[in-house]
Amino acid sequence: AQSVTQLDSHVSVSEGTPVLLRCNYSSSYSPSLFWYVQHPNKGLQLLLKYTSAATLVKGINGFEAEFKKSETSFHLTKPSAHMSDAAEYFCVVSEDTGGFKTIFGAGTRLFVKA
Amino acid sequence: NAGVMQNPRHLVRRRGQEARLRCSPMKGHSHVYWYRQLPEEGLKFMVYLQKENIIDESGMPKERFSAEFPKEGPSILRIQQVVRGDSAAYFCASSPELSQPQHFGDGTRLSIL
Repeated sequence: AQSVTQLDSHVSVSEGTPVLLRCNYSSSYSPSLFWYVQHPNKGLQLLLKYTSAATLVKGINGFEAEFKKSETSFHLTKPSAHMSDAAEYFCVVSEDTGGFKTIFGAGTRLFVKA
Repeated sequence: NAGVMQNPRHLVRRRGQEARLRCSPMKGHSHVYWYRQLPEEGLKFMVYLQKENIIDESGMPKERFSAEFPKEGPSILRIQQVVRGDSAAYFCASSPELSQPQHFGDGTRLSIL
């Protein structure tokens, strides 16, 4: 069965400090994994994707994520938070099983304090 | 290059009316996906379409909901006889191929009075 768990519903950091948003997944196949960001009243914007190439994936706006198969994790990190990073972040797993399955995590809301 | 265009951005309907949500995918994208987002929740997959074909509608309610992606024109998500529980944000996404990342529109926020 396919599932995605974002371990924190809310994360609060100070500007300039590191960001860690955690995501665990389960998949019966070799999945593709994504992180998306959603700003208020907007659609989702792709931050980065993992598709079985390098396990450390670099994305836009200084974000990166590391795929750890042994831990079934795909945590999102950024060395230094910026005020503009405050948004909702979604971890997504996608499988092509002859049909199509994409599962979104419940989301993590990131707050950035000045 | 225009992104995924959804309209209207906001739609208000009374219970029992019909709601039609439109989505124009990015140029060159033949795969379209519809999602529903309830307040404080993630996106729930509804349906996946290619031109003129529904590929996977496993996330769509069996009654009152339908989707199409005609050869010409936008994809349409249609909700008949709307109820209060249909109030949500509906997002459309498109991709050039199934395995490629999806590009999202800004959504249609449906409110049922």
